[in-house]
Amino acid sequence: GENVEQHPSTLSVQEGDSAVIKCTYSDSASNYFPWYKQELGKRPQLIIDIRSNVGEKKDQRIAVTLNKTAKHFSLHITETQPEDSAVYFCAASLPRQAGTALIFGKGTTLSVSS
Amino acid sequence: AAGVIQSPRHLIKEKRETATLKCYPIPRHDTVYWYQQGPGQDPQFLISFYEKMQSDKGSIPDRFSAQQFSDYHSELNMSSLELGDSALYFCASSLGVRDREYYYYNEQFFGPGTRLTVL
Repeated sequence: GENVEQHPSTLSVQEGDSAVIKCTYSDSASNYFPWYKQELGKRPQLIIDIRSNVGEKKDQRIAVTLNKTAKHFSLHITETQPEDSAVYFCAASLPRQAGTALIFGKGTTLSVSS
Repeated sequence: AAGVIQSPRHLIKEKRETATLKCYPIPRHDTVYWYQQGPGQDPQFLISFYEKMQSDKGSIPDRFSAQQFSDYHSELNMSSLELGDSALYFCASSLGVRDREYYYYNEQFFGPGTRLTVL
């Protein structure tokens, strides 16, 4: 089955700096890669996703890149703000049917200090 | 906008007791997922349903069962509870729409979770 590895496990940056989180996946057939942000005690919330037919996607300060050959994808956050502090999870799936599971990475705890 | 509703939000049980968690998806959503998240861990997929039929199955213990009802709400039944079952249980829902490529790229919207504590 699919396995997703995520690095680093913790990341501390200064406000205004950029943050990069990387994930690798094992199943070359996977074609959907969402990123979720989870604040302490709260629900995971989708912040951006990418499909395998696209190499990069951007939404304001957040961007995701995908390298299908290397089977890795990355989340880039620019101009970080204290409210970006949270746990970020990458995930992968091959949604051939409705209800396909997301396989998550172990998460990255991002701390943005002002 | 309406969100996924889960009840109860908190539940305390003794070992070997049973528990029932309920999930009410976003209106019009026909797909429900259950995830278990231990402290400091990632969400682990348990099971999902599409149009009241089981769709995908993950690491759900045999002591657990689930179903989706005609109004699309879902219930997760947990029996013979163990200390290790203490976790946050999230339900997520999505609209099962297939795109031109025949894939279901549907965002999973998570509920607030039920925190289960087994003593």
